[in-house]
Amino acid sequence: KQEVTQIPAALSVPEGENLVLNCSFTDSAIYNLQWFRQDPGKGLTSLLLIQSSQREQTSGRLNASLDKSSGRSTLYIAASQPGDSATYLCAVITTGTASKLTFGTGTRLQVTL
Amino acid sequence: NAGVTQTPKFRILKIGQSMTLQCTQDMNHNYMYWYRQDPGMGLKLIYYSVGAGITDKGEVPNGYNVSRSTTEDFPLRLELAAPSQTSVYFCASRTPGTGKSPLHFGNGTRLTVT
Repeated sequence: KQEVTQIPAALSVPEGENLVLNCSFTDSAIYNLQWFRQDPGKGLTSLLLIQSSQREQTSGRLNASLDKSSGRSTLYIAASQPGDSATYLCAVITTGTASKLTFGTGTRLQVTL
Repeated sequence: NAGVTQTPKFRILKIGQSMTLQCTQDMNHNYMYWYRQDPGMGLKLIYYSVGAGITDKGEVPNGYNVSRSTTEDFPLRLELAAPSQTSVYFCASRTPGTGKSPLHFGNGTRLTVT
């Protein structure tokens, strides 16, 4: 059974810092991996999707990497801003699971002034 | 662009009552999902559907039922509500196939059973 872990559970950084969020998964036979952002009381917004054949994806100040063989992904946020404060979740689709995503429990990020 | 729309946004139920959570999407996505999110527990899959007329159980289906009569709609039915069903419920959809298709979420329904 696929299990997805995110460490740390919470993180507080001052504005302007670069930071890395971690995601690990136990079954490396994945179809793709997605990073989501969730604001309080809201749904999830897809940030980046990395297909199993890719190593990284970039969108603006965000860069996500994937190391399938070691079961790890990182989300790098450059020059953090208070507006980046949210919970970040990663999720994987494991091959042979009919496109069902398995989610991590998230990292709650606070960027302070 | 409506995307995935869920109604209602909030609901309070008494133990033993029933209700239907509505979900509709206008992106012509074949795959639709219902998740519940409990504090500190991540999202758990309740039911999913790969197309009209096809549904299947996820990790936590007990106490719930679904139907998929059209591509657009995927309602979730709670029969005999219990306090353990207090949660935030999210509907999501995506297109199948290449692995490039991200999951689109609705804004959720916050349900309290007392």
